[in-house]
Amino acid sequence: AQSVTQLDSHVSVSEGTPVLLRCNYSSSYSPSLFWYVQHPNKGLQLLLKYTSAATLVKGINGFEAEFKKSETSFHLTKPSAHMSDAAEYFCVVNYGGSQGNLIFGKGTKLSVKP
Amino acid sequence: GAVVSQHPSRVICKSGTSVKIECRSLDFQATTMFWYRQFPKQSLMLMATSNEGSKATYEQGVEKDKFLINHASLTLSTLTVTSAHPEDSSFYICSARRTSGGPRWADTQYFGPGTRLTVL
Repeated sequence: AQSVTQLDSHVSVSEGTPVLLRCNYSSSYSPSLFWYVQHPNKGLQLLLKYTSAATLVKGINGFEAEFKKSETSFHLTKPSAHMSDAAEYFCVVNYGGSQGNLIFGKGTKLSVKP
Repeated sequence: GAVVSQHPSRVICKSGTSVKIECRSLDFQATTMFWYRQFPKQSLMLMATSNEGSKATYEQGVEKDKFLINHASLTLSTLTVTSAHPEDSSFYICSARRTSGGPRWADTQYFGPGTRLTVL
């Protein structure tokens, strides 16, 4: 079955240090990959999206993610964490193109310490 | 662009009453909208897919007579929780898939801010 795995349920970093949120997906022909962020009691905001163009995708708020087919990974990174980055992050995969539904990872809670 | 709104953002109701939640795509048309439910500290669970002008498609285990979905226009879908019970208390989130913008964005869903339902 197609799936997406977020390897860490909780990541804690200090403000100003790098962020790494890990995501692996089950292998398929050409999935679309997304990262969404959810702040408490809010909906999901699209951070970035990969669709078989450049393997390094730049998103909003300084985040970027690299698609590595050999590792079936799509890890999210940011060079320097900000307090406002504290939120829940979801790695999401669409295996079905324009007619496909989204498959959500379980989420990674990012905490940022001052 | 690609803004989705939900109304109300928060609702408290008595057990046995019905509650309607609206989902609107504000600056784009969406033939397909989705309704999700999110329990505390969990990921989103797809409840149903709402298609403009046709019946919604419900996920396994979701009661279609309890969660009524209407997608009357290209910018509005509604979810009505009928005869609500305390176990229906949850965070309900809708999303919309763009029909314009080309194939690059056809598989992207844009999410509303969510509706917190509390049934007493």
